[in-house]
Amino acid sequence: EVQLVEAGGGLVQPGGSLKLSCAASGFTFSGSAIHWVRQASGKGLEWVGHIRSKAISYATEYAASVKGRFTISRDDSENTAYLQMNSLKTEDTAVYYCTRHTIQMVRGIILNFGLDVWGHGTTVTVSS
Amino acid sequence: DIVMTQTPLSLSVTPGQPASISCKSSQSLLHSDEKTYLYWYLQKPGQSPQLLIYEVSNRFSGVPERFSGTGSGTDFTLKISRVEAEDVGVYYCMQSIQLPPGYTFGQGTKLEIK
Repeated sequence: EVQLVEAGGGLVQPGGSLKLSCAASGFTFSGSAIHWVRQASGKGLEWVGHIRSKAISYATEYAASVKGRFTISRDDSENTAYLQMNSLKTEDTAVYYCTRHTIQMVRGIILNFGLDVWGHGTTVTVSS
Repeated sequence: DIVMTQTPLSLSVTPGQPASISCKSSQSLLHSDEKTYLYWYLQKPGQSPQLLIYEVSNRFSGVPERFSGTGSGTDFTLKISRVEAEDVGVYYCMQSIQLPPGYTFGQGTKLEIK
């Protein structure tokens, strides 16, 4: 079964740090780009950032709201991606999802499935 | 950044009746590779988002045929031919053409059953 499982959420004070993990199973993790998307309570979805595969130099991109504070990394040997969050603000309070981006060749056609597999999410609360 | 605008933000539908959600982007989602990177997701109550439609009009594996996506350029529509009780939740459109600065989602459309 294709699966992503997030962990590491919790309560942290403003200015603090937290590191989330995203454990993958059931697919070739090393070939997949992994994204992080967050959702504040009762709000919509906000893209946080992503990390590409080794073939694309583990390139990362971040939303402007987290750039310089958040870092995405991955350990392909452990099939795990990470989201290091520093200098946390109250507005970072949200459920954080990791999600896989799939691009596949099917019968000679490249199909971009977008974010096709999502974890269940882990809750981060930034409060004093 | 590309802004995605969904309408309506909520709709109440009788089972068996059709439903339609519009999504407009502030810039064209047509890439130079001639693909259009517009996606639809459904987030059922208490669950993670799930992919319904990729590249404007392609149903993802396991998605019922009553769901269809159409559109081009900046205007897109998700249609449910006959709404069922299990379709309740919040529907989001998403663009992935522009990276950087990043993917963006619509505000979401909440579907409830009358």
